[in-house]
Amino acid sequence: DGGITQSPKYLFRKEGQNVTLSCEQNLNHDAMYWYRQDPGQGLRLIYYSQIVNDFQKGDIAEGYSVSREKKESFPLTVTSAQKNPTAFYLCASKFAATGTDTQYFGPGTRLTVL
Amino acid sequence: GQSLEQPSEVTAVEGAIVQINCTYQTSGFYGLSWYQQHDGGAPTFLSYNALDGLEETGRFSSFLSRSDSYGYLLLQELQMKDSASYFCACRTGGFKTIFGAGTRLFVKA
Repeated sequence: DGGITQSPKYLFRKEGQNVTLSCEQNLNHDAMYWYRQDPGQGLRLIYYSQIVNDFQKGDIAEGYSVSREKKESFPLTVTSAQKNPTAFYLCASKFAATGTDTQYFGPGTRLTVL
Repeated sequence: GQSLEQPSEVTAVEGAIVQINCTYQTSGFYGLSWYQQHDGGAPTFLSYNALDGLEETGRFSSFLSRSDSYGYLLLQELQMKDSASYFCACRTGGFKTIFGAGTRLFVKA
Protein backbone atom coordinates (compact mmCIF):
# COMPACT_ATOMS: atom_id res chain seq x y z
CA ASP A 1 0.00 0.00 0.00
CA GLY A 2 1.27 3.46 -0.88
CA GLY A 3 1.18 6.17 1.68
CA ILE A 4 2.92 8.22 4.33
CA THR A 5 3.88 6.80 7.67
CA GLN A 6 4.82 8.66 10.81
CA SER A 7 6.13 7.10 13.93
CA PRO A 8 5.51 6.95 16.74
CA LYS A 9 1.87 8.00 17.09
CA TYR A 10 2.42 9.25 20.64
CA LEU A 11 5.73 10.44 22.05
CA PHE A 12 6.64 11.64 25.50
CA ARG A 13 9.89 13.38 26.32
CA LYS A 14 11.40 15.26 29.19
CA GLU A 15 12.06 18.94 28.87
CA GLY A 16 15.52 19.67 27.52
CA GLN A 17 15.79 16.53 25.40
CA ASN A 18 16.00 16.51 21.63
CA VAL A 19 13.57 14.20 19.87
CA THR A 20 13.34 13.04 16.25
CA LEU A 21 10.04 12.36 14.51
CA SER A 22 10.02 9.99 11.59
CA CYS A 23 8.27 10.53 8.25
CA GLU A 24 8.48 8.06 5.36
CA GLN A 25 6.58 8.01 2.06
CA ASN A 26 6.47 5.47 -0.76
CA LEU A 27 4.40 7.60 -3.12
CA ASN A 28 7.45 8.74 -5.09
CA HIS A 29 6.58 12.32 -4.18
CA ASP A 30 9.20 14.99 -4.66
CA ALA A 31 8.17 17.51 -2.02
CA MET A 32 7.74 16.87 1.68
CA TYR A 33 6.47 19.06 4.50
CA TRP A 34 6.31 19.33 8.27
CA TYR A 35 3.44 21.14 9.98
CA ARG A 36 2.63 21.81 13.57
CA GLN A 37 -0.95 21.91 14.83
CA ASP A 38 -1.96 23.19 18.25
CA PRO A 39 -5.39 22.43 19.75
CA GLY A 40 -8.20 24.13 17.87
CA GLN A 41 -5.81 25.78 15.45
CA GLY A 42 -4.67 25.50 11.89
CA LEU A 43 -1.50 24.02 10.45
CA ARG A 44 1.69 26.04 10.63
CA LEU A 45 4.56 25.24 8.30
CA ILE A 46 7.83 24.29 9.98
CA TYR A 47 10.05 23.13 7.10
CA TYR A 48 9.61 21.90 3.56
CA SER A 49 11.78 20.18 1.01
CA GLN A 50 11.41 20.21 -2.74
CA ILE A 51 14.20 17.79 -3.52
CA VAL A 52 16.77 15.57 -1.86
CA ASN A 53 19.49 17.43 0.05
CA ASP A 54 17.56 20.69 -0.07
CA PHE A 55 15.03 22.20 2.34
CA GLN A 56 13.62 25.59 3.29
CA LYS A 57 12.39 27.13 6.52
CA GLY A 58 8.71 27.64 6.94
CA ASP A 59 7.01 30.15 9.21
CA ILE A 60 7.99 28.60 12.55
CA ALA A 61 11.36 26.91 11.98
CA GLU A 62 13.07 28.11 15.16
CA GLY A 63 13.92 25.22 17.45
CA TYR A 64 13.50 22.60 14.74
CA SER A 65 15.85 20.93 12.26
CA VAL A 66 15.35 18.56 9.33
CA SER A 67 17.30 16.50 6.82
CA ARG A 68 16.44 15.08 3.41
CA GLU A 69 19.07 12.49 2.56
CA LYS A 70 16.62 10.23 0.75
CA LYS A 71 13.58 11.02 -1.36
CA GLU A 72 11.41 8.82 0.83
CA SER A 73 12.40 10.22 4.20
CA PHE A 74 12.13 13.63 5.90
CA PRO A 75 12.80 13.36 9.65
CA LEU A 76 12.13 16.29 11.97
CA THR A 77 14.16 16.95 15.10
CA VAL A 78 12.56 18.98 17.85
CA THR A 79 15.45 20.49 19.77
CA SER A 80 15.63 21.74 23.32
CA ALA A 81 15.62 25.27 21.87
CA GLN A 82 11.95 24.91 20.93
CA LYS A 83 10.22 26.69 23.80
CA ASN A 84 6.82 25.03 23.57
CA PRO A 85 7.20 21.74 21.72
CA THR A 86 4.04 19.97 22.89
CA ALA A 87 1.83 19.73 19.78
CA PHE A 88 0.48 17.50 17.02
CA TYR A 89 3.04 17.16 14.21
CA LEU A 90 1.94 16.33 10.68
CA CYS A 91 4.09 15.31 7.75
CA ALA A 92 2.85 15.67 4.17
CA SER A 93 4.10 15.10 0.64
CA LYS A 94 3.12 15.89 -2.91
CA PHE A 95 4.31 15.65 -6.50
CA ALA A 96 6.35 18.60 -7.70
CA ALA A 97 5.04 18.96 -11.22
CA THR A 98 1.31 19.16 -10.81
CA GLY A 99 -1.56 21.46 -11.64
CA THR A 100 -2.94 21.05 -8.15
CA ASP A 101 -1.60 21.48 -4.64
CA THR A 102 -2.74 18.10 -3.35
CA GLN A 103 -0.82 17.22 -0.24
CA TYR A 104 -1.08 13.77 1.30
CA PHE A 105 -0.76 13.68 5.06
CA GLY A 106 0.58 11.08 7.43
CA PRO A 107 -1.38 10.11 10.57
CA GLY A 108 0.63 12.50 12.74
CA THR A 109 2.71 12.28 15.89
CA ARG A 110 1.41 13.74 19.12
CA LEU A 111 4.40 14.97 21.11
CA THR A 112 4.12 15.74 24.79
CA VAL A 113 7.04 17.28 26.61
CA LEU A 114 6.87 16.85 30.36
CA GLY B 1 1.85 39.57 6.51
CA GLN B 2 0.16 36.64 4.87
CA SER B 3 -3.15 35.42 6.24
CA LEU B 4 -6.26 33.42 5.49
CA GLU B 5 -9.50 34.24 7.26
CA GLN B 6 -12.34 31.78 7.74
CA PRO B 7 -15.15 31.52 10.31
CA SER B 8 -14.25 29.57 13.42
CA GLU B 9 -17.51 27.62 13.62
CA VAL B 10 -20.55 26.83 11.49
CA THR B 11 -23.60 24.81 12.51
CA ALA B 12 -26.08 23.28 10.08
CA VAL B 13 -28.81 20.65 9.97
CA GLU B 14 -28.48 17.26 8.36
CA GLY B 15 -29.60 17.40 4.72
CA ALA B 16 -29.01 21.14 4.44
CA ILE B 17 -26.42 23.13 2.45
CA VAL B 18 -23.59 25.03 4.12
CA GLN B 19 -21.01 27.45 2.74
CA ILE B 20 -17.63 28.06 4.37
CA ASN B 21 -15.92 31.25 3.25
CA CYS B 22 -12.22 32.02 3.03
CA THR B 23 -10.57 35.34 2.29
CA TYR B 24 -6.84 35.50 1.80
CA GLN B 25 -4.06 38.03 1.79
CA THR B 26 -0.80 36.64 0.43
CA SER B 27 2.28 37.94 -1.34
CA GLY B 28 1.89 35.35 -4.08
CA PHE B 29 -1.02 33.21 -5.15
CA TYR B 30 -1.15 30.08 -7.23
CA GLY B 31 -4.34 28.47 -5.99
CA LEU B 32 -6.73 27.73 -3.12
CA SER B 33 -7.20 24.27 -1.62
CA TRP B 34 -9.64 22.84 0.87
CA TYR B 35 -8.94 20.08 3.38
CA GLN B 36 -11.13 18.17 5.81
CA GLN B 37 -9.91 16.99 9.20
CA HIS B 38 -11.82 14.83 11.66
CA ASP B 39 -10.90 15.01 15.34
CA GLY B 40 -7.58 13.30 15.99
CA GLY B 41 -7.05 12.54 12.33
CA ALA B 42 -4.97 13.83 9.47
CA PRO B 43 -6.21 16.40 6.94
CA THR B 44 -7.50 14.99 3.67
CA PHE B 45 -7.60 16.91 0.41
CA LEU B 46 -11.00 17.95 -0.91
CA SER B 47 -10.50 20.37 -3.80
CA TYR B 48 -8.25 22.90 -5.51
CA ASN B 49 -9.02 26.03 -7.52
CA ALA B 50 -6.32 27.75 -9.53
CA LEU B 51 -8.68 29.71 -11.76
CA ASP B 52 -11.86 31.65 -11.08
CA GLY B 53 -15.03 29.66 -11.00
CA LEU B 54 -16.69 26.66 -9.48
CA GLU B 55 -15.25 23.16 -9.15
CA GLU B 56 -17.65 20.36 -8.30
CA THR B 57 -16.78 17.01 -6.77
CA GLY B 58 -19.82 15.06 -5.68
CA ARG B 59 -21.54 16.77 -2.75
CA PHE B 60 -18.68 19.25 -2.39
CA SER B 61 -18.05 22.32 -4.55
CA SER B 62 -15.39 24.97 -4.28
CA PHE B 63 -15.38 28.48 -5.72
CA LEU B 64 -12.63 31.01 -6.30
CA SER B 65 -12.59 34.69 -7.18
CA ARG B 66 -8.99 35.85 -7.58
CA SER B 67 -10.00 39.48 -8.03
CA ASP B 68 -11.76 39.42 -4.65
CA SER B 69 -9.14 37.21 -2.95
CA TYR B 70 -12.04 35.04 -1.88
CA GLY B 71 -13.18 31.49 -2.07
CA TYR B 72 -15.70 29.17 -0.50
CA LEU B 73 -16.44 25.53 0.05
CA LEU B 74 -20.03 24.42 -0.45
CA LEU B 75 -21.26 21.22 1.14
CA GLN B 76 -24.62 19.88 -0.01
CA GLU B 77 -26.90 17.20 1.45
CA LEU B 78 -25.08 17.41 4.74
CA GLN B 79 -24.49 14.18 6.61
CA MET B 80 -23.50 13.63 10.22
CA LYS B 81 -20.12 12.34 9.05
CA ASP B 82 -19.40 15.79 7.57
CA SER B 83 -18.91 17.12 11.10
CA ALA B 84 -15.23 18.03 11.03
CA SER B 85 -12.84 20.93 10.66
CA TYR B 86 -12.35 22.43 7.21
CA PHE B 87 -9.22 24.34 6.24
CA CYS B 88 -8.57 26.58 3.30
CA ALA B 89 -4.98 26.73 2.14
CA CYS B 90 -3.12 28.96 -0.31
CA ARG B 91 -0.28 27.86 -2.49
CA THR B 92 1.76 31.04 -2.33
CA GLY B 93 4.64 30.14 -4.58
CA GLY B 94 6.66 27.18 -5.68
CA PHE B 95 6.17 24.63 -2.98
CA LYS B 96 5.00 26.74 -0.06
CA THR B 97 1.44 26.50 1.23
CA ILE B 98 -0.14 28.35 4.15
CA PHE B 99 -3.29 27.22 5.95
CA GLY B 100 -6.16 29.06 7.55
CA ALA B 101 -7.07 28.42 11.19
CA GLY B 102 -9.95 26.17 10.20
CA THR B 103 -13.75 26.16 10.44
CA ARG B 104 -15.37 23.69 12.77
CA LEU B 105 -18.59 22.35 11.18
CA PHE B 106 -21.25 20.88 13.45
CA VAL B 107 -24.01 18.93 11.72
CA LYS B 108 -27.14 18.45 13.80
CA ALA B 109 -29.82 15.83 13.33
